[in-house]
Amino acid sequence: NAGVMQNPRHLVRRRGQEARLRCSPMKGHSHVYWYRQLPEEGLKFMVYLQKENIIDESGMPKERFSAEFPKEGPSILRIQQVVRGDSAAYFCASSEYGQDLIGGYTFGSGTRLTVV
Amino acid sequence: AQSVTQLGSHVSVSEGALVLLRCNYSSSVPPYLFWYVQYPNQGLQLLLKYTTGATLVKGINGFEAEFKKSETSFHLTKPSAHMSDAAEYFCAVSRGSYIPTFGRGTSLIVHP
Repeated sequence: NAGVMQNPRHLVRRRGQEARLRCSPMKGHSHVYWYRQLPEEGLKFMVYLQKENIIDESGMPKERFSAEFPKEGPSILRIQQVVRGDSAAYFCASSEYGQDLIGGYTFGSGTRLTVV
Repeated sequence: AQSVTQLGSHVSVSEGALVLLRCNYSSSVPPYLFWYVQYPNQGLQLLLKYTTGATLVKGINGFEAEFKKSETSFHLTKPSAHMSDAAEYFCAVSRGSYIPTFGRGTSLIVHP
């Protein structure tokens, strides 16, 4: 029973390039959450998705960032025209149930993005 | 609305000593409370959770936490620290329609 799978584990991009981060939720989980962890800061919520729907994107920067969770395949967090400030660890979590998280989240191991 | 405050970004203890990591929350509805642990270069693992019922919650690796409504606290404790407990610990609160909010994290340092 594989956990939440994120790839790549490490990603290096030059300023101005695009970064695509992938997340496959646990089997049976249809709710996906993306969080960003900056150095010396906690986890900041970015976006909550269900299959083919964005439920809550209140934590997403207004520009350059987008997320999707298609009917088939992993969830994708896409950052266009990356800047140095985008360097962070990006974590995906999934849950069986939505908003009322009785079970708590299951997290992936994260993608560490470095913008050079 | 909900928020979490973790007092102390770093806590240092000797091996075998008591571990106490503090978490205070605010929530407009009865909260669900969680503690997660993050080892270097890994994702977060759920340590324990409080939803309803008994206010003293036991988790993995000998950790436990007590929900104190009157103090709006959910402090994490372990009677005797082990070197392998060195990690980052995050407290989180959620309930109802709210996406979980995480604290800034507390780095636990264990000295031999």
